[in-house]
Amino acid sequence: GDSVTQMEGPVTLSEEAFLTINCTYTATGYPSLFWYVQYPGEGLQLLLKATKADDKGSNKGFEATYRKETTSFHLEKGSVQVSDSAVYFCALSNTGFQKLVFGTGTRLLVSP
Amino acid sequence: DTAVSQTPKYLVTQMGNDKSIKCEQNLGHDTMYWYKQDSKKFLKIMFSYNNKELIINETVPNRFSPKSPDKAHLNLHINSLELGDSAVYFCASSQESDTQYFGPGTRLTVL
Repeated sequence: GDSVTQMEGPVTLSEEAFLTINCTYTATGYPSLFWYVQYPGEGLQLLLKATKADDKGSNKGFEATYRKETTSFHLEKGSVQVSDSAVYFCALSNTGFQKLVFGTGTRLLVSP
Repeated sequence: DTAVSQTPKYLVTQMGNDKSIKCEQNLGHDTMYWYKQDSKKFLKIMFSYNNKELIINETVPNRFSPKSPDKAHLNLHINSLELGDSAVYFCASSQESDTQYFGPGTRLTVL
């Protein structure tokens, strides 16, 4: 079945550092790919998405590129802030299946 | 003007009790979902409804029964609660298989 693998956390960075959170997937067909973020005590918010190969999703300084050849959708940000501390989930949705398959989440901790 | 809302936000109850969680969306979406997030933050789909019809049931115990009275509501009823049911339950909605929008979650604690 479809699956998503994310790097283990926590990822601990200082403010203004460069962030990469790795995400790879296994899926049949042509899934859509997503990054969701969960701030402490809150629900999930869509951060960005890409629906086809080579698409780049971007939002709030975060970006991720859908790489079909490496089945990856790595999340990057050039300069993190303390307010970016949260749990980040990579997810896929395969055509017609109408469900999200999530990775295990990666906790990001940014210190001043 | 909350898009996807859930009640209650917190639910503490004893083993063996029956409880319900309610979800409402005002986005005009035709598909609604329930997800369970365990203590390790892992998220897994439980159910999906499209236009009030069940389309996904991911091997969830039959103590869990979703009910969709209309397109804007999807409630989750749980019978005979067990310790292992303690989790955060998220409702979500989407227009067909487009982007899903999540509610704030309901933290269920079974004692």
